[in-house]
Amino acid sequence: GEDVEQSLFLSVREGDSSVINCTYTDSSSTYLYWYKQEPGAGLQLLTYIFSNMDMKQDQRLTVLLNKKDKHLSLRIADTQTGDSAIYFCAVGSYNQGGKLIFGQGTELSVKP
Amino acid sequence: SQTIHQWPATLVQPVGSPLSLECTVEGTSNPNLYWYRQAAGRGLQLLFYSVGIGQISSEVPQNLSASRPQDRQFILSSKKLLLSDSGFYLCAGRTSGTDTQYFGPGTRLTVL
Repeated sequence: GEDVEQSLFLSVREGDSSVINCTYTDSSSTYLYWYKQEPGAGLQLLTYIFSNMDMKQDQRLTVLLNKKDKHLSLRIADTQTGDSAIYFCAVGSYNQGGKLIFGQGTELSVKP
Repeated sequence: SQTIHQWPATLVQPVGSPLSLECTVEGTSNPNLYWYRQAAGRGLQLLFYSVGIGQISSEVPQNLSASRPQDRQFILSSKKLLLSDSGFYLCAGRTSGTDTQYFGPGTRLTVL
């Protein structure tokens, strides 16, 4: 079945850029998401990209998709302490009710 | 845009007791609805999804069941809780014809 992989931890200094990476196995994935989870809270949708796109930029967030390598990344520019959270990559398709397969999440720690 | 409500926010139940978690959606009609569990680790496991009233698809065999008695209501149940049912339960919804899946605030279940 579909598998989504992320590294578990990332630590950066405040003001630096953060890059969170994700790889997936199912080439038929139609849309790819990034969610943010703060402690004890639900998941907040940050951004998403369609499989026919290479890049999407939304303020401090840049999503890059390399469909050939099945690699997705999220870049956060000028990372702030408030960005500390767990970031989940998720992939899905229009089939099977639009269900998503999630990675394990990357815990981003931003040090002042 | 749609809003997902879940209650209760936290729940402590003894082993062997029944369970009923409720999820309701506002701001949309005929959504696809999903129940996920996030265990002590990070990953989100899809438990059930529903594309309409009375239509439930189960992703993993387990001690839980789901029902959708109304268009915007999704219920997660168990007749007898196990210790392994402890976790953070998240409901999500996706409006038909759109690409984004939104999450509720979650219910933290502890089975003792």
